[in-house]
Amino acid sequence: SYVPTQPPSVSVAPGKTARITCGGNNIGRKSVHWYQQKPGQAPVVVMYYDSDRPSGTPERFSGSNSGNTATLTISRVEAGDEADYYCQVWDSSTDHSEVAFGGGTKLTVL
Amino acid sequence: QVHLVQSGAEVKKPGSSVKVSCKASGGTFSSYAISWVRQAPGQGLEWMGGIIPILGIAKHAQKFQGRVTITADDNTSTAYMELSSLRSEDTALYYCARGYWETGTGDYHYNGMDVWGQGTTVTVSS
Repeated sequence: SYVPTQPPSVSVAPGKTARITCGGNNIGRKSVHWYQQKPGQAPVVVMYYDSDRPSGTPERFSGSNSGNTATLTISRVEAGDEADYYCQVWDSSTDHSEVAFGGGTKLTVL
Repeated sequence: QVHLVQSGAEVKKPGSSVKVSCKASGGTFSSYAISWVRQAPGQGLEWMGGIIPILGIAKHAQKFQGRVTITADDNTSTAYMELSSLRSEDTALYYCARGYWETGTGDYHYNGMDVWGQGTTVTVSS
């Protein structure tokens, strides 16, 4: 099965830029969706289809996807951005296609 | 604005089954995909399967083959997830989520999920 790879943690100072990666073989050929999950809350989608921002997601959030890496970039990071972030793809690499989530990245704002 | 409201917490014995419901209100239900995603304590998100109510077609993750049944009642805008042969490792928070889908090659692809239920805690303990 296809399991997107995420770094367990990313730390960034307020006002700086955070980049959270999601890796996988030819992930650039897949659509990647990103979720933010704060403690005790359900996930919230922050990016669709690699780089489409839902209404409600600040413009500071952007996404890209090419080759073997998709990236969620958060500019001018704020304390409220501290959360777990998960990428998600549709895995059709085997006969049994299914949704695949990355393991998640904990973003810490220093 | 659609909301997904899930049934309440469950405590089950090993070997038994649990059925969780997810009722949509305030918006469209049947033309989207409804996924079931679980999260064990301190762990990440795990997709269990989903259903496209307008097509009546369900799909499950290979890991849950033979143990999970996902259904939907279009008349009541309610989706259900039943998990059988419960074991302690099934203790988790179970979410339903509404999402987008598209037709693939002989298949239906599930894409991003924009509305999530509040979660249902399922505890499996003897």
